[in-house]
Amino acid sequence: QSALTQPRSVSGSPGQSVTISCTGTSSDVGGYNYVSWYQQHPGKAPKLMIYDVSKRPSGVPDRFSGSKSGNTASLTISGLQAEDEADYYCCSYAGSYTFWVFGGGTKLTVL
Amino acid sequence: QLQLQESGPGLVKPSETLSLTCTVSGGSISSSSYYWGWIRQPPGKGLEWIGSIYYSGSTYYNPSLKSRVTISVDTSKNQFSLKLSSVTAADTAVYYCASLIAAAGTSAFDIWGQGTMVTVSS
Repeated sequence: QSALTQPRSVSGSPGQSVTISCTGTSSDVGGYNYVSWYQQHPGKAPKLMIYDVSKRPSGVPDRFSGSKSGNTASLTISGLQAEDEADYYCCSYAGSYTFWVFGGGTKLTVL
Repeated sequence: QLQLQESGPGLVKPSETLSLTCTVSGGSISSSSYYWGWIRQPPGKGLEWIGSIYYSGSTYYNPSLKSRVTISVDTSKNQFSLKLSSVTAADTAVYYCASLIAAAGTSAFDIWGQGTMVTVSS
């Protein structure tokens, strides 16, 4: 059982937008602005896509955006492309005892 | 450009100690901008943070693994290491090392190694 709850799967057609949710508690997602999102293609290492809730690292397309409301963070991918098909994981700082927790991952299928 | 590479045995016997090393290149492990961490992923499952270390030697561990985990740093070799004791089949996973941004007001695992598969089996 992961600390953060994500839908197991989402799907969308090329050009559409999808949103992946990440629900935690006031001790993690709701308590800190240290939510990050990672993209993982099969057999590859995770890649940082969003950090500090809504910031994009250099080189990440602006089709990827992040937000947070209360205890739930969200990753939105607009203008879906075939190469966006991957697993996505959220992660949050959870204080000075638990430190870092991940979501269970969401498989994005581009139809 | 910072790069991380894991190394270590791919097969460990039950009850023994898993030992892995992460070599950092393209930057100094003594940088004040980073912590260094270990994350694992069992086959077909999600990611789990194991622990992190600062170049000074300060360590932070996942409470669920704390009794079995030791992370250390060797600044002379630009490496940090993971030891996980008393392993069982449940510790079979791909183990990743990663840099953890330590800037004020910012934190995320920004650079990851390629990962190394460790199987626990007799």
